[in-house]
Amino acid sequence: DTGVSQNPRHKITKRGQNVTFRCDPISEHNRLYWYRQTLGQGPEFLTYFQNEAQLEKSRLLSDRFSAERPKGSFSTLEIQRTEQGDSAMYLCASVLPTSRDTQYFGPGTRLTVL
Amino acid sequence: EDQVTQSPEALRLQEGESSSLNCSYTVSGLRGLFWYRQDPGKGPEFLFTLYSAGEEKEKERLKATLTKKESFLHITAPKPEDSATYLCAVGPPSGTYKYIFGTGTRLKVLA
Repeated sequence: DTGVSQNPRHKITKRGQNVTFRCDPISEHNRLYWYRQTLGQGPEFLTYFQNEAQLEKSRLLSDRFSAERPKGSFSTLEIQRTEQGDSAMYLCASVLPTSRDTQYFGPGTRLTVL
Repeated sequence: EDQVTQSPEALRLQEGESSSLNCSYTVSGLRGLFWYRQDPGKGPEFLFTLYSAGEEKEKERLKATLTKKESFLHITAPKPEDSATYLCAVGPPSGTYKYIFGTGTRLKVLA
């Protein structure tokens, strides 16, 4: 499968625990986005990487959220001290360097905070 | 403020009954309008990108058009397998990398 992959696909955690999600973009895609999507809403921008550099982070993102993309390949999104309001689908998307803007999304990680 | 609004929120069609979905936007300097299809529990699947008013693109039963203020996704003779949520998004305004998505139109096509 040469698409964007995300792991785990589902995560159930208790309030206050830390969680980490991984995204593996399509090979050679140098641009990577993280989004959060709640039921009935469109994806909400969280952060953007170009290669290993994090170039933008949403102002809506609290300091409990952090993302990395070491070596410009896979990326991780960590949420510390989870809250029930963090329950959502977390989506990753990648873009070819030669593409203007077409984003290819992964299947998402569904987070449930109890 | 940059904004994307989709209508209707939900649409039920009989198989073969053509219709259109609307995406209106207010953004400073459009850098692309995107349509995606999303099935339940899955990530969005790319359909079309439009960059200029008057541009049109087609794929099977779907046709996307763009004006200066809105885009339409026309569905001709839909089939039950076209049932999904259709999302539109606008490309990042100048000075940001942030794409702005609408809330989607949930389409149900009945056999």
